[in-house]
Amino acid sequence: ETGVTQTPRHLVMGMTNKKSLKCEQHLGHNAMYWYKQSAKKPLELMFVYNFKEQTENNSVPSRFSPECPNSSHLFLHLHTLQPEDSALYLCASSQEGNSGSDEQFFGPGTRLTVL
Amino acid sequence: AQSVTQPDIHITVSEGASLELRCNYSYGATPYLFWYVQSPGQGLQLLLKYFSGDTLVQGIKGFEAEFKRSQSSFNLRKPSVHWSDAAEYFCAVGPFGLTGGGNKLTFGTGTQLKVEL
Repeated sequence: ETGVTQTPRHLVMGMTNKKSLKCEQHLGHNAMYWYKQSAKKPLELMFVYNFKEQTENNSVPSRFSPECPNSSHLFLHLHTLQPEDSALYLCASSQEGNSGSDEQFFGPGTRLTVL
Repeated sequence: AQSVTQPDIHITVSEGASLELRCNYSYGATPYLFWYVQSPGQGLQLLLKYFSGDTLVQGIKGFEAEFKRSQSSFNLRKPSVHWSDAAEYFCAVGPFGLTGGGNKLTFGTGTQLKVEL
Protein backbone atom coordinates (compact mmCIF):
# COMPACT_ATOMS: atom_id res chain seq x y z
CA GLU A 1 0.00 0.00 0.00
CA THR A 2 1.18 3.50 -0.75
CA GLY A 3 0.00 6.98 0.14
CA VAL A 4 -3.08 7.37 2.31
CA THR A 5 -5.68 4.63 2.46
CA GLN A 6 -9.17 4.76 3.92
CA THR A 7 -11.62 2.01 4.79
CA PRO A 8 -14.41 1.45 4.18
CA ARG A 9 -14.92 3.35 0.94
CA HIS A 10 -18.69 3.36 1.40
CA LEU A 11 -20.75 3.10 4.58
CA VAL A 12 -24.49 3.17 5.15
CA MET A 13 -25.62 3.34 8.75
CA GLY A 14 -28.71 4.02 10.78
CA MET A 15 -28.89 6.79 13.31
CA THR A 16 -28.52 4.39 16.22
CA ASN A 17 -25.52 2.49 14.86
CA LYS A 18 -21.92 2.75 15.94
CA LYS A 19 -19.26 2.50 13.27
CA SER A 20 -15.66 3.55 12.73
CA LEU A 21 -13.73 4.96 9.80
CA LYS A 22 -10.11 4.01 9.43
CA CYS A 23 -7.25 5.91 7.84
CA GLU A 24 -3.67 4.74 7.39
CA GLN A 25 -0.78 6.71 5.93
CA HIS A 26 2.30 5.02 4.49
CA LEU A 27 4.30 8.22 4.01
CA GLY A 28 6.08 8.54 7.35
CA HIS A 29 4.23 11.78 8.12
CA ASN A 30 3.67 13.12 11.62
CA ALA A 31 0.39 15.00 11.19
CA MET A 32 -3.03 13.61 10.23
CA TYR A 33 -6.38 15.26 9.55
CA TRP A 34 -10.08 14.49 9.20
CA TYR A 35 -12.15 16.60 6.80
CA LYS A 36 -15.85 16.57 5.98
CA GLN A 37 -16.84 17.29 2.38
CA SER A 38 -20.50 18.09 1.78
CA ALA A 39 -22.05 19.07 -1.52
CA LYS A 40 -21.67 22.74 -2.42
CA LYS A 41 -19.66 23.52 0.73
CA PRO A 42 -15.93 24.00 1.26
CA LEU A 43 -13.98 21.22 2.88
CA GLU A 44 -14.46 21.46 6.62
CA LEU A 45 -11.49 20.64 8.82
CA MET A 46 -12.70 18.49 11.71
CA PHE A 47 -9.66 17.29 13.61
CA VAL A 48 -5.88 17.63 13.45
CA TYR A 49 -3.41 15.31 15.09
CA ASN A 50 0.24 16.28 15.31
CA PHE A 51 2.67 13.72 16.72
CA LYS A 52 -0.40 11.73 17.87
CA GLU A 53 -1.69 14.66 19.94
CA GLN A 54 -4.95 16.30 19.01
CA THR A 55 -4.20 19.93 18.23
CA GLU A 56 -7.47 20.97 16.66
CA ASN A 57 -11.09 20.18 17.24
CA ASN A 58 -13.03 22.45 14.98
CA SER A 59 -16.25 22.61 17.02
CA VAL A 60 -17.18 19.11 15.93
CA PRO A 61 -20.20 17.48 17.65
CA SER A 62 -19.34 14.81 20.20
CA ARG A 63 -21.02 12.13 18.10
CA PHE A 64 -17.74 12.19 16.15
CA SER A 65 -14.86 10.84 18.21
CA PRO A 66 -11.33 10.68 16.75
CA GLU A 67 -8.57 8.36 17.84
CA CYS A 68 -4.91 8.40 16.82
CA PRO A 69 -3.10 5.40 18.34
CA ASN A 70 0.13 6.12 16.43
CA SER A 71 1.40 8.47 13.77
CA SER A 72 0.33 6.14 10.95
CA HIS A 73 -3.26 5.43 11.93
CA LEU A 74 -6.28 7.63 12.48
CA PHE A 75 -9.82 6.56 13.31
CA LEU A 76 -13.11 8.39 13.39
CA HIS A 77 -15.66 6.71 15.64
CA LEU A 78 -19.27 7.47 14.81
CA HIS A 79 -22.36 7.08 17.00
CA THR A 80 -25.93 8.35 16.93
CA LEU A 81 -25.33 10.31 13.74
CA GLN A 82 -27.88 12.49 12.00
CA PRO A 83 -28.87 12.44 8.31
CA GLU A 84 -27.09 15.77 7.81
CA ASP A 85 -23.84 14.00 8.69
CA SER A 86 -24.01 12.19 5.35
CA ALA A 87 -20.94 13.32 3.42
CA LEU A 88 -17.56 12.30 2.09
CA TYR A 89 -15.05 12.02 4.92
CA LEU A 90 -11.49 12.61 3.85
CA CYS A 91 -8.34 11.78 5.71
CA ALA A 92 -5.05 13.54 4.98
CA SER A 93 -1.49 13.54 6.27
CA SER A 94 1.44 15.91 6.12
CA GLN A 95 4.94 16.33 7.46
CA GLU A 96 5.51 19.03 10.05
CA GLY A 97 9.11 20.09 10.39
CA ASN A 98 11.41 22.85 11.51
CA SER A 99 10.89 24.69 8.25
CA GLY A 100 7.12 24.51 8.53
CA SER A 101 4.33 22.42 7.15
CA ASP A 102 4.27 20.75 3.79
CA GLU A 103 1.37 19.88 1.55
CA GLN A 104 -1.31 17.46 2.64
CA PHE A 105 -1.80 14.13 0.96
CA PHE A 106 -5.37 12.90 0.84
CA GLY A 107 -6.96 9.51 0.93
CA PRO A 108 -9.84 8.54 -1.40
CA GLY A 109 -12.45 9.18 1.27
CA THR A 110 -15.32 7.28 2.85
CA ARG A 111 -18.77 8.05 1.45
CA LEU A 112 -21.06 7.98 4.48
CA THR A 113 -24.83 7.79 4.24
CA VAL A 114 -26.90 8.11 7.41
CA LEU A 115 -30.46 6.84 7.13
CA ALA B 1 -9.30 35.05 9.34
CA GLN B 2 -8.12 33.42 6.17
CA SER B 3 -10.53 32.78 3.31
CA VAL B 4 -10.50 31.57 -0.27
CA THR B 5 -12.91 32.56 -3.03
CA GLN B 6 -13.37 30.63 -6.21
CA PRO B 7 -15.91 32.75 -8.08
CA ASP B 8 -16.71 30.21 -10.80
CA ILE B 9 -18.75 27.24 -9.62
CA HIS B 10 -18.90 25.63 -13.06
CA ILE B 11 -16.77 26.13 -16.16
CA THR B 12 -17.16 24.42 -19.53
CA VAL B 13 -14.40 24.47 -22.13
CA SER B 14 -13.80 22.65 -25.38
CA GLU B 15 -11.02 20.12 -25.58
CA GLY B 16 -7.87 21.82 -26.79
CA ALA B 17 -8.94 25.24 -25.55
CA SER B 18 -7.06 27.15 -22.88
CA LEU B 19 -8.24 27.23 -19.29
CA GLU B 20 -8.01 29.66 -16.41
CA LEU B 21 -9.56 28.99 -13.02
CA ARG B 22 -9.72 31.91 -10.65
CA CYS B 23 -8.75 31.96 -6.99
CA ASN B 24 -8.65 34.93 -4.64
CA TYR B 25 -7.50 34.66 -1.08
CA SER B 26 -7.49 36.69 2.09
CA TYR B 27 -4.61 36.06 4.43
CA GLY B 28 -2.76 38.25 6.90
CA ALA B 29 0.70 36.73 6.63
CA THR B 30 2.84 34.99 4.07
CA PRO B 31 0.46 32.59 2.36
CA TYR B 32 1.14 29.03 1.37
CA LEU B 33 -1.05 28.42 -1.69
CA PHE B 34 -2.20 25.17 -3.25
CA TRP B 35 -4.30 23.85 -6.09
CA TYR B 36 -5.83 20.40 -5.71
CA VAL B 37 -7.89 18.36 -8.17
CA GLN B 38 -10.59 15.85 -7.28
CA SER B 39 -11.95 13.30 -9.72
CA PRO B 40 -15.33 11.69 -8.99
CA GLY B 41 -15.14 9.26 -6.08
CA GLN B 42 -11.54 10.16 -5.34
CA GLY B 43 -9.63 12.16 -2.80
CA LEU B 44 -7.77 15.36 -3.55
CA GLN B 45 -4.55 15.28 -5.53
CA LEU B 46 -2.04 18.12 -5.34
CA LEU B 47 -1.47 19.89 -8.66
CA LEU B 48 0.98 22.54 -7.48
CA LYS B 49 1.95 24.75 -4.56
CA TYR B 50 3.56 28.12 -3.94
CA PHE B 51 5.18 29.69 -0.91
CA SER B 52 8.11 31.73 -2.21
CA GLY B 53 10.35 32.37 -5.19
CA ASP B 54 9.21 32.53 -8.78
CA THR B 55 5.60 33.62 -8.84
CA LEU B 56 4.82 31.35 -11.80
CA VAL B 57 4.79 27.76 -10.61
CA GLN B 58 4.57 24.64 -12.69
CA GLY B 59 2.61 21.63 -11.62
CA ILE B 60 1.68 18.20 -12.79
CA LYS B 61 -0.46 17.41 -15.83
CA GLY B 62 0.64 20.57 -17.63
CA PHE B 63 -0.93 22.99 -15.15
CA GLU B 64 0.64 26.22 -13.95
CA ALA B 65 -0.43 28.97 -11.57
CA GLU B 66 0.65 32.54 -11.06
CA PHE B 67 0.81 34.24 -7.67
CA LYS B 68 -0.07 37.94 -7.78
CA ARG B 69 0.30 39.49 -4.37
CA SER B 70 -1.15 42.84 -5.42
CA GLN B 71 -4.36 41.14 -6.54
CA SER B 72 -4.39 38.44 -3.82
CA SER B 73 -4.86 35.92 -6.59
CA PHE B 74 -3.48 32.52 -7.48
CA ASN B 75 -5.11 31.57 -10.76
CA LEU B 76 -4.65 28.16 -12.33
CA ARG B 77 -4.00 27.85 -16.06
CA LYS B 78 -3.53 25.24 -18.71
CA PRO B 79 -2.81 26.07 -22.36
CA SER B 80 -4.68 23.12 -23.86
CA VAL B 81 -7.29 21.16 -21.94
CA HIS B 82 -7.72 17.41 -22.34
CA TRP B 83 -10.99 15.54 -21.76
CA SER B 84 -9.36 13.79 -18.80
CA ASP B 85 -9.01 17.15 -17.03
CA ALA B 86 -12.74 17.16 -16.27
CA ALA B 87 -12.87 17.22 -12.47
CA GLU B 88 -13.35 19.57 -9.55
CA TYR B 89 -10.55 21.96 -8.69
CA PHE B 90 -9.89 23.40 -5.26
CA CYS B 91 -7.72 26.31 -4.26
CA ALA B 92 -6.40 26.39 -0.68
CA VAL B 93 -4.39 28.73 1.53
CA GLY B 94 -2.50 27.95 4.69
CA PRO B 95 0.18 29.31 6.98
CA PHE B 96 3.79 29.00 5.97
CA GLY B 97 6.23 28.48 8.76
CA LEU B 98 6.28 26.48 11.90
CA THR B 99 2.75 26.06 13.13
CA GLY B 100 3.26 23.34 15.68
CA GLY B 101 -0.24 22.11 15.16
CA GLY B 102 -0.53 20.83 11.67
CA ASN B 103 -1.20 22.80 8.54
CA LYS B 104 -4.68 24.24 8.84
CA LEU B 105 -5.64 24.79 5.25
CA THR B 106 -8.65 26.81 4.20
CA PHE B 107 -10.25 25.60 0.98
CA GLY B 108 -12.42 27.33 -1.57
CA THR B 109 -15.76 25.88 -2.60
CA GLY B 110 -14.29 24.42 -5.77
CA THR B 111 -14.78 24.88 -9.52
CA GLN B 112 -16.32 22.04 -11.49
CA LEU B 113 -14.68 21.75 -14.91
CA LYS B 114 -16.53 20.17 -17.80
CA VAL B 115 -14.71 19.46 -21.04
CA GLU B 116 -16.65 19.26 -24.28
CA LEU B 117 -15.27 17.01 -26.99
